[in-house]
Amino acid sequence: KQEVTQIPAALSVPEGENLVLNCSFTDSAIYNLQWFRQDPGKGLTSLLLIQSSQREQTSGRLNASLDKSSGRSTLYIAASQPGDSATYLCAVPNTNAGKSTFGDGTTLTVKP
Amino acid sequence: DTAVSQTPKYLVTQMGNDKSIKCEQNLGHDTMYWYKQDSKKFLKIMFSYNNKELIINETVPNRFSPKSPDKAHLNLHINSLELGDSAVYFCASSPKDRGGGYTFGSGTRLTVV
Repeated sequence: KQEVTQIPAALSVPEGENLVLNCSFTDSAIYNLQWFRQDPGKGLTSLLLIQSSQREQTSGRLNASLDKSSGRSTLYIAASQPGDSATYLCAVPNTNAGKSTFGDGTTLTVKP
Repeated sequence: DTAVSQTPKYLVTQMGNDKSIKCEQNLGHDTMYWYKQDSKKFLKIMFSYNNKELIINETVPNRFSPKSPDKAHLNLHINSLELGDSAVYFCASSPKDRGGGYTFGSGTRLTVV
């Protein structure tokens, strides 16, 4: 059974700081890994999708890496801004069709 | 706009009532899901349908019944609502290609009083 862990559960940083969010998974037989952002009271917005054959994906100030062998992914946020404050979740589709396991999220607060 | 859309956005109802939440996607995806996010913000899968066929049914009370009239729609019907059913319910979809990611709806906040 796939288990996904995100550390830390909460993170508070001053504006402008670079930061790393971590996601660990127990079963390395994955198709891809997806990072989402969730603002309070809102739905999930997809940030980055890394295929199992890829090592990283970049979008603007975000960079996600994937190391299947060690069961880890990181989300790097450069030059953080108050607007980055949200909960960040990683999701890993299981090899069984039609199921994805989510981490419990990291709640990020960027202080002006 | 291409999207996953859910209705209603908010639903307040009394215990014992029966209610439905509707979901539609126009992305051409083959697989649709219902997820439940509880008060602690943990996101757990409830059901998954692939081209109208149920493929995942987690340990969910049988008061919850999904229905997929076609691959673009997945509705969730809940009978005899209980206080513990209060949560945010998210619909999502993904393409047939297992390398494709998920697209989520904006959620339905259900409050049972």
